[in-house]
Amino acid sequence: GAGVSQSPSNKVTEKGKDVELRCDPISGHTALYWYRQSLGQGLEFLIYFQGNSAPDKSGLPSDRFSAERTGGSVSTLTIQRTQQEDSAVYLCASSLLGTGKTEAFFGQGTRLTVV
Amino acid sequence: AQTVTQSQPEMSVQEAETVTLSCTYDTSESDYYLFWYKQPPSRQMILVIRQEAYKQQNATENRFSVNFQKAAKSFSLKISDSQLGDAAMYFCAYKRGAQKLVFGQGTRLTINP
Repeated sequence: GAGVSQSPSNKVTEKGKDVELRCDPISGHTALYWYRQSLGQGLEFLIYFQGNSAPDKSGLPSDRFSAERTGGSVSTLTIQRTQQEDSAVYLCASSLLGTGKTEAFFGQGTRLTVV
Repeated sequence: AQTVTQSQPEMSVQEAETVTLSCTYDTSESDYYLFWYKQPPSRQMILVIRQEAYKQQNATENRFSVNFQKAAKSFSLKISDSQLGDAAMYFCAYKRGAQKLVFGQGTRLTINP
């Protein structure tokens, strides 16, 4: 498809387990964002990749969270030793350029439930 | 750091009426972009409208228009002739240059038939 793809759509994991969330951006998009959205809440910024620049990791809530973007394309968000407060929808977005001139397109998110 | 504030957690409007959603932001910059995104129950974020700060003319997209007051750092969204399909969460967002996209907390809009 031509849109941003996230997998899995839903993930249920046990507390203490590690999880990996995947984002396939639109081909050719240089900017990629990860956000977290708790039930009925706003979007909490996590991390932002822009081309070959060092990523903006200022939103990662703890060292249990990490993300990488391989080859400027696919990104993986990893949460280690998951906690119940990690339960949320994780949204990925990409844009052609890093500026506001180009629209950010969002995936449908991964709903993570930690039990 | 830039912040975006939406002071209306919830709004409701009668079908076919007009509603305005408020957004204020804090920045010391003069060149930036502002956005309104819509998130229906499907979770898919959709861009509704975009405004470039250096353009004085307010952006318009069909039934959606903005009132951009740069000096007041205000960016409200007006929805005319509200339709049932407009029901969603609406998020205001700010972006400057190659920096991250910053969102407000959202406003839940309900359309009453």
